[in-house]
Amino acid sequence: AQSVTQLGSHVSVSEGALVLLRCNYSSSVPPYLFWYVQYPNQGLQLLLKYTTGATLVKGINGFEAEFKKSETSFHLTKPSAHMSDAAEYFCAGSESGSARQLTFGSGTQLTVLP
Amino acid sequence: GAGVSQSPSNKVTEKGKDVELRCDPISGHTALYWYRQSLGQGLEFLIYFQGNSAPDKSGLPSDRFSAERTGGSVSTLTIQRTQQEDSAVYLCASSPSQGGNGYTFGSGTRLTVV
Repeated sequence: AQSVTQLGSHVSVSEGALVLLRCNYSSSVPPYLFWYVQYPNQGLQLLLKYTTGATLVKGINGFEAEFKKSETSFHLTKPSAHMSDAAEYFCAGSESGSARQLTFGSGTQLTVLP
Repeated sequence: GAGVSQSPSNKVTEKGKDVELRCDPISGHTALYWYRQSLGQGLEFLIYFQGNSAPDKSGLPSDRFSAERTGGSVSTLTIQRTQQEDSAVYLCASSPSQGGNGYTFGSGTRLTVV
Protein backbone atom coordinates (compact mmCIF):
# COMPACT_ATOMS: atom_id res chain seq x y z
CA ALA A 1 0.00 0.00 0.00
CA GLN A 2 1.03 3.52 -0.68
CA SER A 3 2.62 5.38 2.23
CA VAL A 4 3.47 9.04 2.44
CA THR A 5 6.07 10.50 4.76
CA GLN A 6 6.46 14.15 5.59
CA LEU A 7 9.76 15.08 7.19
CA GLY A 8 9.44 17.74 9.83
CA SER A 9 6.21 18.28 11.71
CA HIS A 10 7.08 21.95 12.20
CA VAL A 11 8.96 24.29 9.89
CA SER A 12 9.68 27.95 10.62
CA VAL A 13 10.88 30.43 8.02
CA SER A 14 11.28 34.17 7.93
CA GLU A 15 9.00 36.23 5.74
CA GLY A 16 10.59 36.41 2.29
CA ALA A 17 12.64 33.26 2.76
CA LEU A 18 12.44 30.04 0.81
CA VAL A 19 9.83 27.53 1.92
CA LEU A 20 10.72 23.83 1.56
CA LEU A 21 8.37 21.15 2.83
CA ARG A 22 9.43 17.57 2.31
CA CYS A 23 7.36 14.60 1.18
CA ASN A 24 8.41 11.09 0.22
CA TYR A 25 6.16 8.37 -1.13
CA SER A 26 6.53 4.63 -1.28
CA SER A 27 4.90 3.59 -4.51
CA SER A 28 7.02 1.86 -7.14
CA VAL A 29 5.02 3.41 -9.96
CA PRO A 30 4.11 7.05 -10.57
CA PRO A 31 1.20 7.50 -8.23
CA TYR A 32 -1.39 10.14 -7.68
CA LEU A 33 0.26 12.81 -5.53
CA PHE A 34 -1.16 15.99 -4.09
CA TRP A 35 -0.35 18.81 -1.72
CA TYR A 36 -3.14 20.29 0.38
CA VAL A 37 -3.13 23.24 2.77
CA GLN A 38 -5.31 23.59 5.85
CA TYR A 39 -5.94 26.90 7.58
CA PRO A 40 -7.26 26.88 11.16
CA ASN A 41 -10.80 25.57 11.51
CA GLN A 42 -11.11 24.99 7.79
CA GLY A 43 -11.09 22.04 5.47
CA LEU A 44 -8.24 21.14 3.17
CA GLN A 45 -7.59 23.16 0.03
CA LEU A 46 -5.83 21.67 -2.98
CA LEU A 47 -2.51 23.40 -3.71
CA LEU A 48 -1.34 21.26 -6.57
CA LYS A 49 -1.36 17.79 -8.05
CA TYR A 50 1.25 15.67 -9.77
CA THR A 51 0.80 15.17 -13.49
CA THR A 52 2.30 12.04 -15.04
CA GLY A 53 5.54 12.85 -16.82
CA ALA A 54 6.03 16.22 -15.17
CA THR A 55 9.04 17.02 -13.00
CA LEU A 56 7.91 20.44 -11.81
CA VAL A 57 4.30 21.11 -10.98
CA LYS A 58 2.97 24.60 -10.38
CA GLY A 59 0.15 25.26 -7.98
CA ILE A 60 -1.76 28.11 -6.46
CA ASN A 61 -0.35 30.91 -4.31
CA GLY A 62 3.13 30.61 -5.85
CA PHE A 63 3.79 27.07 -4.66
CA GLU A 64 5.55 24.45 -6.76
CA ALA A 65 6.47 20.82 -6.25
CA GLU A 66 9.30 18.88 -7.81
CA PHE A 67 8.74 15.20 -8.58
CA LYS A 68 11.90 13.10 -8.35
CA LYS A 69 11.28 9.47 -9.15
CA SER A 70 14.83 8.45 -8.24
CA GLU A 71 14.31 9.82 -4.73
CA THR A 72 10.57 9.01 -4.54
CA SER A 73 10.09 12.59 -3.42
CA PHE A 74 7.55 15.31 -4.09
CA HIS A 75 8.81 18.30 -2.11
CA LEU A 76 6.83 21.54 -1.96
CA THR A 77 8.58 24.88 -2.39
CA LYS A 78 7.83 28.56 -2.54
CA PRO A 79 10.59 31.06 -3.31
CA SER A 80 9.43 33.75 -0.89
CA ALA A 81 7.27 33.09 2.17
CA HIS A 82 4.41 35.38 3.06
CA MET A 83 2.74 35.71 6.43
CA SER A 84 -0.46 34.36 4.90
CA ASP A 85 1.31 31.06 4.10
CA ALA A 86 1.25 30.07 7.76
CA ALA A 87 -0.87 26.93 7.85
CA GLU A 88 -0.61 23.16 7.96
CA TYR A 89 0.42 21.40 4.79
CA PHE A 90 -0.37 17.82 3.88
CA CYS A 91 1.11 15.61 1.22
CA ALA A 92 -1.22 12.87 0.00
CA GLY A 93 -0.92 9.98 -2.40
CA SER A 94 -2.66 7.01 -3.87
CA GLU A 95 -1.65 3.94 -5.81
CA SER A 96 -1.87 4.22 -9.57
CA GLY A 97 -5.28 3.47 -10.98
CA SER A 98 -7.47 5.39 -8.60
CA ALA A 99 -7.38 8.39 -6.33
CA ARG A 100 -10.44 7.29 -4.44
CA GLN A 101 -8.57 6.48 -1.26
CA LEU A 102 -5.79 8.88 -0.38
CA THR A 103 -3.07 8.25 2.17
CA PHE A 104 -2.09 11.47 3.89
CA GLY A 105 1.20 12.38 5.47
CA SER A 106 1.18 13.50 9.07
CA GLY A 107 1.33 17.16 8.10
CA THR A 108 3.83 19.99 8.46
CA GLN A 109 2.92 23.12 10.37
CA LEU A 110 4.50 26.12 8.67
CA THR A 111 5.22 29.19 10.76
CA VAL A 112 6.26 32.41 9.04
CA LEU A 113 8.23 34.80 11.20
CA PRO A 114 8.12 38.55 10.61
CA GLY B 1 -23.84 25.13 -3.91
CA ALA B 2 -20.43 26.61 -4.56
CA GLY B 3 -18.61 24.39 -2.12
CA VAL B 4 -18.97 21.29 0.00
CA SER B 5 -21.25 22.00 2.92
CA GLN B 6 -21.13 20.07 6.19
CA SER B 7 -23.42 20.26 9.16
CA PRO B 8 -23.29 20.69 12.02
CA SER B 9 -19.93 22.42 12.26
CA ASN B 10 -19.62 21.35 15.88
CA LYS B 11 -21.30 18.54 17.78
CA VAL B 12 -20.94 17.60 21.41
CA THR B 13 -22.55 14.33 22.40
CA GLU B 14 -22.60 12.04 25.37
CA LYS B 15 -20.86 8.71 25.24
CA GLY B 16 -23.24 6.03 24.01
CA LYS B 17 -25.46 8.34 21.97
CA ASP B 18 -25.87 8.12 18.21
CA VAL B 19 -24.88 11.02 15.94
CA GLU B 20 -25.53 11.91 12.33
CA LEU B 21 -23.21 14.09 10.30
CA ARG B 22 -24.37 15.57 7.03
CA CYS B 23 -22.51 16.39 3.83
CA ASP B 24 -23.84 18.29 0.84
CA PRO B 25 -21.36 17.91 -2.03
CA ILE B 26 -20.79 20.20 -4.97
CA SER B 27 -23.60 19.82 -7.47
CA GLY B 28 -22.63 17.45 -10.26
CA HIS B 29 -19.78 15.79 -8.38
CA THR B 30 -20.28 12.06 -8.68
CA ALA B 31 -17.67 11.05 -6.08
CA LEU B 32 -18.02 11.70 -2.37
CA TYR B 33 -15.55 10.86 0.38
CA TRP B 34 -15.49 10.87 4.17
CA TYR B 35 -12.23 11.25 6.06
CA ARG B 36 -11.53 11.55 9.76
CA GLN B 37 -8.89 13.86 11.21
CA SER B 38 -7.72 13.23 14.74
CA LEU B 39 -4.67 14.22 16.75
CA GLY B 40 -3.43 10.70 17.21
CA GLN B 41 -4.20 9.21 13.81
CA GLY B 42 -3.94 12.11 11.38
CA LEU B 43 -6.17 11.99 8.30
CA GLU B 44 -7.82 8.63 7.68
CA PHE B 45 -10.01 7.46 4.83
CA LEU B 46 -13.42 6.24 5.92
CA ILE B 47 -15.68 5.66 2.92
CA TYR B 48 -16.05 6.51 -0.78
CA PHE B 49 -19.17 6.78 -2.93
CA GLN B 50 -19.07 6.90 -6.73
CA GLY B 51 -22.33 7.40 -8.57
CA ASN B 52 -24.64 4.43 -8.16
CA SER B 53 -21.85 1.95 -7.45
CA ALA B 54 -21.54 0.12 -4.18
CA PRO B 55 -19.54 2.26 -1.75
CA ASP B 56 -15.99 1.43 -0.70
CA LYS B 57 -16.40 1.01 3.06
CA SER B 58 -12.94 -0.37 3.69
CA GLY B 59 -11.91 2.51 5.95
CA LEU B 60 -14.78 2.37 8.42
CA PRO B 61 -13.19 1.58 11.80
CA SER B 62 -16.02 -0.48 13.24
CA ASP B 63 -19.59 -1.58 12.59
CA ARG B 64 -20.77 1.37 14.68
CA PHE B 65 -19.97 3.54 11.66
CA SER B 66 -22.19 3.63 8.61
CA ALA B 67 -22.86 6.04 5.77
CA GLU B 68 -25.36 6.48 3.03
CA ARG B 69 -25.73 8.71 0.06
CA THR B 70 -29.22 9.48 -1.14
CA GLY B 71 -30.01 10.28 -4.74
CA GLY B 72 -26.35 10.52 -5.59
CA SER B 73 -26.09 13.76 -3.65
CA VAL B 74 -26.35 14.34 0.10
CA SER B 75 -24.52 11.92 2.37
CA THR B 76 -25.00 11.12 6.03
CA LEU B 77 -22.36 9.54 8.24
CA THR B 78 -23.84 7.85 11.29
CA ILE B 79 -21.94 6.81 14.37
CA GLN B 80 -23.83 4.61 16.78
CA ARG B 81 -23.07 4.27 20.49
CA THR B 82 -20.36 6.92 20.33
CA GLN B 83 -17.13 6.40 22.23
CA GLN B 84 -14.58 8.97 23.36
CA GLU B 85 -12.13 7.76 20.73
CA ASP B 86 -14.62 8.85 18.08
CA SER B 87 -13.84 12.47 18.94
CA ALA B 88 -12.33 13.97 15.81
CA VAL B 89 -13.01 16.26 12.88
CA TYR B 90 -14.99 14.48 10.19
CA LEU B 91 -14.25 15.84 6.74
CA CYS B 92 -16.33 15.32 3.66
CA ALA B 93 -15.02 15.89 0.14
CA SER B 94 -16.33 15.55 -3.37
CA SER B 95 -14.87 15.38 -6.87
CA PRO B 96 -16.18 15.27 -10.44
CA SER B 97 -14.97 11.71 -11.01
CA GLN B 98 -12.57 9.40 -9.20
CA GLY B 99 -10.51 12.14 -7.65
CA GLY B 100 -7.57 12.18 -10.02
CA ASN B 101 -7.67 15.96 -10.13
CA GLY B 102 -8.01 16.29 -6.39
CA TYR B 103 -10.92 16.73 -4.03
CA THR B 104 -12.83 19.72 -2.71
CA PHE B 105 -13.18 19.43 1.04
CA GLY B 106 -15.80 20.84 3.34
CA SER B 107 -14.91 22.62 6.57
CA GLY B 108 -15.66 19.55 8.62
CA THR B 109 -17.72 18.61 11.64
CA ARG B 110 -15.87 18.67 14.94
CA LEU B 111 -17.28 15.86 17.06
CA THR B 112 -16.61 15.79 20.78
CA VAL B 113 -17.78 12.80 22.79
CA VAL B 114 -17.98 13.50 26.52
